[in-house]
Amino acid sequence: QKEVEQNSGPLSVPEGAIASLNCTYSDRGSQSFFWYRQYSGKSPELIMFIYSNGDKEDGRFTAQLNKASQYVSLLIRDSQPSDSATYLCAVNGPSNTGKLIFGQGTTLQVKP
Amino acid sequence: NAGVTQTPKFQVLKTGQSMTLQCAQDMNHNSMYWYRQDPGMGLRLIYYSASEGTTDKGEVPNGYNVSRLNKREFSLRLESAAPSQTSVYFCASSEAGRGTGELFFGEGSRLTVL
Repeated sequence: QKEVEQNSGPLSVPEGAIASLNCTYSDRGSQSFFWYRQYSGKSPELIMFIYSNGDKEDGRFTAQLNKASQYVSLLIRDSQPSDSATYLCAVNGPSNTGKLIFGQGTTLQVKP
Repeated sequence: NAGVTQTPKFQVLKTGQSMTLQCAQDMNHNSMYWYRQDPGMGLRLIYYSASEGTTDKGEVPNGYNVSRLNKREFSLRLESAAPSQTSVYFCASSEAGRGTGELFFGEGSRLTVL
């Protein structure tokens, strides 16, 4: 079992819809969780991080964390074609060295 | 502000050749990382350095060596390249243990081994 798992997609949503991206992780001791966005041919960039159970909102993005279920998700409201990218879930272990383990990424396509 | 700089950006090697990927950061970060990215595999950690003078293996270290030359520079060496090492390589840095733990990535180095 991979340490961090995502559905590779592609996930296709119409413009204006809510895109829901999901991620599960295997290490119960994980403390911090990250969502990175990667446009084709570019390097990843951080869009959200979350440490505590519950929801964290930043503009059109909401990260949700459920440590009991070892599950983290990213919701993108009012999806735009410019949101079309690969979204990478990353998890930091209990020692907090900053050593992030990434999932395989979910490709999101937002259709006009 | 350059951030994280990787060289070279593109490289073609023949099987058995050696090469070194260079990485430098100007953000005074303690931690540096090398990842590889293959289609459908996400980013896989090769080696990381939590601080100057230390290095540790990641998920896929076989066939690679690293050197943390100083706080700014972290190099990745392929001693005898194999076709399985064809990939895009990303160097990253972070202030581990403080702040968001955000990784700052270089632009990537695309390596092809024939």
